[in-house]
Amino acid sequence: DAMVIQNPRYQVTQFGKPVTLSCSQTLNHNVMYWYQQKSSQAPKLLFHYYDKDFNNEADTPDNFQSRRPNTSFCFLDIRSPGLGDAAMYLCATSRDLTGTGSYEQYFGPGTRLTVT
Amino acid sequence: GQQLNQSPQSMFIQEGEDVSMNCTSSSIFNTWLWYKQDPGEGPVLLIALYKAGELTSNGRLTAQFGITRKDSFLNISASIPSDVGIYFCAGLITNFGNEKLTFGTGTRLTIIP
Repeated sequence: DAMVIQNPRYQVTQFGKPVTLSCSQTLNHNVMYWYQQKSSQAPKLLFHYYDKDFNNEADTPDNFQSRRPNTSFCFLDIRSPGLGDAAMYLCATSRDLTGTGSYEQYFGPGTRLTVT
Repeated sequence: GQQLNQSPQSMFIQEGEDVSMNCTSSSIFNTWLWYKQDPGEGPVLLIALYKAGELTSNGRLTAQFGITRKDSFLNISASIPSDVGIYFCAGLITNFGNEKLTFGTGTRLTIIP
């Protein structure tokens, strides 16, 4: 089945130690998103890629970076994790809406990040 | 960022009861999506709505795109234990490839034994 895959599902890192979270998709969607979700809150968009074009949200800290080496893969890099960065990180994908008249966004299962 | 007003914030119901929740916005949207999220998992898309006034069903779930384009409703009939979770609405305005969802604040559904 076509899907959005995130690895690992659980990640523990130390304060200040760089960490990378991975996302892959078999949907062949051209748009990929990274969200941060804290307990009982709605997902908060960090940035997204439209094909290779990177779109950063204005309030996303510089500590968060992303890479998309090809259509299928996208990475979230946290350069110096702080305690406040402990959260669920969600990857999502969608197709280009233009001309289709429809839009759907599909989420992966998430990576739970713990910062010690 | 902007969030939609979603109500109720939480619901405690008995198995078999029907459930209703809604989202309202001060802005119009041309797409509404409804998601369900289980603990420790990512949101799962339940229903997508594209036209004002549209009523769409998915099994026991029915959702409507408000005629003003500023609201949407989700109904669950005859609730069962696996309906427990957090439900999020999300609105979208088309923006030529730069589409971003605006999420509701979520409705937490609990079923009382």
